[in-house]
Amino acid sequence: SQELEQSPQSLIVQEGKNLTINCTSSKTLYGLYWYKQKYGEGLIFLMMLQKGGEEKSHEKITAKLDEKKQQSSLHITASQPSHAGIYLCGADKSSGSARQLTFGSGTQLTVLP
Amino acid sequence: KAGVTQTPRYLIKTRGQQVTLSCSPISGHRSVSWYQQTPGQGLQFLFEYFSETQRNKGNFPGRFSGRQFSNSRSEMNVSTLELGDSALYLCASSLTVGNQPQHFGDGTRLSIL
Repeated sequence: SQELEQSPQSLIVQEGKNLTINCTSSKTLYGLYWYKQKYGEGLIFLMMLQKGGEEKSHEKITAKLDEKKQQSSLHITASQPSHAGIYLCGADKSSGSARQLTFGSGTQLTVLP
Repeated sequence: KAGVTQTPRYLIKTRGQQVTLSCSPISGHRSVSWYQQTPGQGLQFLFEYFSETQRNKGNFPGRFSGRQFSNSRSEMNVSTLELGDSALYLCASSLTVGNQPQHFGDGTRLSIL
């Protein structure tokens, strides 16, 4: 079965610093999703990547999917306390219509003011 | 546009009881998926419904079941509750099936005593 490994597990940065979170799959990724979660709450959709080499940005967050479609990175520029939370990557197990998202274990981000 | 609505937000039950959780998807969304989130296992897929049909099922015992109504609203039922069923249950909806973003509700926190 497809496993998604996220690194690091936790990250503490000073406000204003840049940071990167990685998501690595043991199999080809057909759809890669990044979500943010605050403790005990639902997931907020950030971005979706499908094509190898694809890169998307929203405000200060950029996500990339490598050419081989087995790794994705999430980069935050000039971090702010509002970026704090748990970042999760999720992937579709197949390219078909019957979906079954698999998620990584998450990266806990703390931004110190 | 209203987001995904889950009710109730919190629930306390005892072992052996059964419980029903409700999910109203975003208006126009026809696919509904359910996930269980625990500190130990992370976020795990339970099942997906589309057009009142279960299209995919995760690796959970038969005590976990669900259904979807003609208005796309979905319910999830867990019978003979066990202590290990304590978790945050999340519902997610998307326009249709296939590789596209799912939007999550805030979840139902189920505690088993």
